[in-house]
Amino acid sequence: NAGVTQTPKFRVLKTGQSMTLLCAQDMNHEYMYWYRQDPGMGLRLIHYSVGEGTTAKGEVPDGYNVSRLKKQNFLLGLESAAPSQTSVYFCASSSGLAGGFTSSGANVLTFGAGSRLTVL
Amino acid sequence: DAKTTQPPSMDCAEGRAANLPCNHSTISGNEYVYWYRQIHSQGPQYIIHGLKNNETNEMASLIITEDRKSSTLILPHATLRDTAVYYCIVSRSGGSNYKLTFGKGTLLTVNP
Repeated sequence: NAGVTQTPKFRVLKTGQSMTLLCAQDMNHEYMYWYRQDPGMGLRLIHYSVGEGTTAKGEVPDGYNVSRLKKQNFLLGLESAAPSQTSVYFCASSSGLAGGFTSSGANVLTFGAGSRLTVL
Repeated sequence: DAKTTQPPSMDCAEGRAANLPCNHSTISGNEYVYWYRQIHSQGPQYIIHGLKNNETNEMASLIITEDRKSSTLILPHATLRDTAVYYCIVSRSGGSNYKLTFGKGTLLTVNP
């Protein structure tokens, strides 16, 4: 049981290049999330998804696009990378909306190991 | 959601109890307190949550004051591997909007 897997773990881009980060979970979770974390700051939500085929904006969605074509995968895309997007990106998933509860208990987040992106 | 206030850093001796405080004075009746931690270079990890009663699991204990305006996460016998940033989060149950915000947390350093 791998949990949440992110690929790639490291990537260096030049300004203007595009790339996609892949998040895969094997827990059959409905909800998936993309966060970014910058030095000295907490995690900021970029986009999230409440189920296959759905996406929603978080706190800092500009410059990113996402897709959830399959329940187990959540892709984060950068169409034209900028140095301000240099960050560590974390994917997470949960069985229900994070912070909420179901009959099974609290909907806690399970995070991936992170993807470190540098834009030159 | 209620805002939380945590000290930016704390130290603890290995083998001693680590008590991490969190202030959430504006918490409302249907908001839960969650704790996560993030070990360096890893993704955050869920620790525990509670509403108004004290909670304990294999990782930690959570003490919530009677007025619910503050809480304390207790690691009973801290080890070097407990060195991490600890996040206290207040979140509303139910609803359709995403409601879980990570602040800057407390950096706990466990010293040998």
